[in-house]
Amino acid sequence: DAMVIQNPRYQVTQFGKPVTLSCSQTLNHNVMYWYQQKSSQAPKLLFHYYDKDFNNEADTPDNFQSRRPNTSFCFLDIRSPGLGDAAMYLCATSGLRASAYEQYFGPGTRLTVT
Amino acid sequence: GNSVTQMEGPVTLSEEAFLTINCTYTATGYPSLFWYVQYPGEGLQLLLKATKADDKGSNKGFEATYRKETTSFHLEKGSVQVSDSAVYFCALINNNAGNMLTFGGGTRLMVKP
Repeated sequence: DAMVIQNPRYQVTQFGKPVTLSCSQTLNHNVMYWYQQKSSQAPKLLFHYYDKDFNNEADTPDNFQSRRPNTSFCFLDIRSPGLGDAAMYLCATSGLRASAYEQYFGPGTRLTVT
Repeated sequence: GNSVTQMEGPVTLSEEAFLTINCTYTATGYPSLFWYVQYPGEGLQLLLKATKADDKGSNKGFEATYRKETTSFHLEKGSVQVSDSAVYFCALINNNAGNMLTFGGGTRLMVKP
């Protein structure tokens, strides 16, 4: 089945130690998103890619970076994680030709910072 | 701008009870409306959607009707099950806003046997 895959599902990192979360998709969608979600609050958009065009939300901290080497993969890099960065990180995709531009979410990576 | 307001939870129901989770929105133009469900420890799953006024989205016994006159998209289910316990998010996508999702705050549903 076509889907959005996130690895790992659970990630533990130390305060200040860089960490990378990964997302891959088999939907061949051209738009990919990264969200941060804390405590079952609504997901907060960090950034998104239209193909290779990177779009950063204005309030996304500089500590968060992203890479999209090809259509299928997207990475979230946290350069110096703080305790406040502990959260669920959700990847999503959408296709401009998809019905209503709906977004398809991966299962998420839960990040713990010790 | 765009915004979505949904009833605060938690909503606690007994099994087989009727469910309504209210959702209202503010948006210019004609947004598409969605309900997403998030089970514990999981990502968001699209539950149902509606793309124009008077459309009814339905899935797994859940329904919601796009009411433009009341700017609402209330989620209903006739008989809930314990397995429906989750957080439900109402959301919209507006072509006027770069096709980004605008979420409501989420409503936690707890169904007791």
